[in-house]
Amino acid sequence: GQQLNQSPQSMFIQEGEDVSMNCTSSSIFNTWLWYKQDPGEGPVLLIALYKAGELTSNGRLTAQFGITRKDSFLNISASIPSDVGIYFCAGENQAGTALIFGKGTTLSVSS
Amino acid sequence: DTAVSQTPKYLVTQMGNDKSIKCEQNLGHDTMYWYKQDSKKFLKIMFSYNNKELIINETVPNRFSPKSPDKAHLNLHINSLELGDSAVYFCASSLAALNYEQYFGPGTRLTVT
Repeated sequence: GQQLNQSPQSMFIQEGEDVSMNCTSSSIFNTWLWYKQDPGEGPVLLIALYKAGELTSNGRLTAQFGITRKDSFLNISASIPSDVGIYFCAGENQAGTALIFGKGTTLSVSS
Repeated sequence: DTAVSQTPKYLVTQMGNDKSIKCEQNLGHDTMYWYKQDSKKFLKIMFSYNNKELIINETVPNRFSPKSPDKAHLNLHINSLELGDSAVYFCASSLAALNYEQYFGPGTRLTVT
């Protein structure tokens, strides 16, 4: 079945550093979304991408929908302590009826 | 005002019991979902309802029964709870069935002992 492979699984960085994480699949997706989950909370939508090649920013966050439609990346610039959390990529399933989630990248930021 | 709310936040119960989790959204969305997040943080869709009608039922044991009394509410009832049901359950909603921008509730941590 469809799977989304996220890497890295975890990252430990210093405040102020830039971060990059990505999501790949052997299947083509028509939609890529990036969510962030804080401890004890539900995932929150950060960025939604709908077109191959699309590059979208949301504050210090930038995400791109890969040209092959099989990958996406998320960059965070000048990280701050509140960036800590789990970042999930997601894409629509083949039937177009639900989201499939990657296994997440856990980000830790030390000040 | 909370957009997607769930009750309870925590639920501890014994094997064999029956329990319910409630979800409400005040976003005016047509579609609601239940997800299960396991101990490794993997999120998996369980059910989806569009305007009170079931549109997705993934391979979930039939001990799990969702009920949608109206399009703003989607409750999850679980019969004969098992240890493996322990997880965090998230409700979510989206504007429409093919709109993938989903808004999640805060989650219900279910612990079965």
